Amino acid sequence: DAGITQSPRHKVTETGTPVTLRCHQTENHRYMYWYRQDPGHGLRLIHYSYGVKDTDKGEVSDGYSVSRSKTEDFLLTLESATSSQTSVYFCAISGGAGNEQFFGPGTRLTVL
Amino acid sequence: AQTVTQSQPEMSVQEAETVTLSCTYDTSESNYYLFWYKQPPSRQMILVIRQEAYKQQNATENRFSVNFQKAAKSFSLKISDSQLGDTAMYFCAFMTPPGNTPLVFGKGTRLSVIA
Repeated sequence: DAGITQSPRHKVTETGTPVTLRCHQTENHRYMYWYRQDPGHGLRLIHYSYGVKDTDKGEVSDGYSVSRSKTEDFLLTLESATSSQTSVYFCAISGGAGNEQFFGPGTRLTVL
Repeated sequence: AQTVTQSQPEMSVQEAETVTLSCTYDTSESNYYLFWYKQPPSRQMILVIRQEAYKQQNATENRFSVNFQKAAKSFSLKISDSQLGDTAMYFCAFMTPPGNTPLVFGKGTRLSVIA
């Protein structure tokens, strides 16, 4: 299995509080992605990174920011969490010749 | 923008039988990559199979194979000899060239394998 971890795995928070999710990889892959999964929507891209300090927005980026200060870590921040951000968040990495993306175990976030 | 459509929200199949999951996509690109991912109840996303659009030969991985029809923009997944462990959500996904770009997912098909 690709070495990807996400922390925390579960979090319950209140509306208006800041939240940071962490993705850590040990594969030294260049590309990292954050997706959210909601019933009836599949997975949708929030932000992605194509190198250290290089990031771009995805389809559902409003209310989220990201940072990547080193290859192995990609942080997703909800500056002020809202109930609509209750979701399962997946981090993924890629960088091999086959273009496959490998996914972390996911973080279930509940915003009350 | 690329879109991926999975028209079967739920399907069921008897153990040891064969089932086919449908996926269509829309793109103006001539080369691209297609994937099927499996998500069992554990929530882990597992790559099942991938296809590169410039390859005419359909990809196969053990009991899993695809029927890739480029002109029809169709990418169906066939599971042979279905097993109880195949019970999962299955997602079709599209990737634009040159690769290592974000995936665009369909909404998924929930497959239940019945003993």
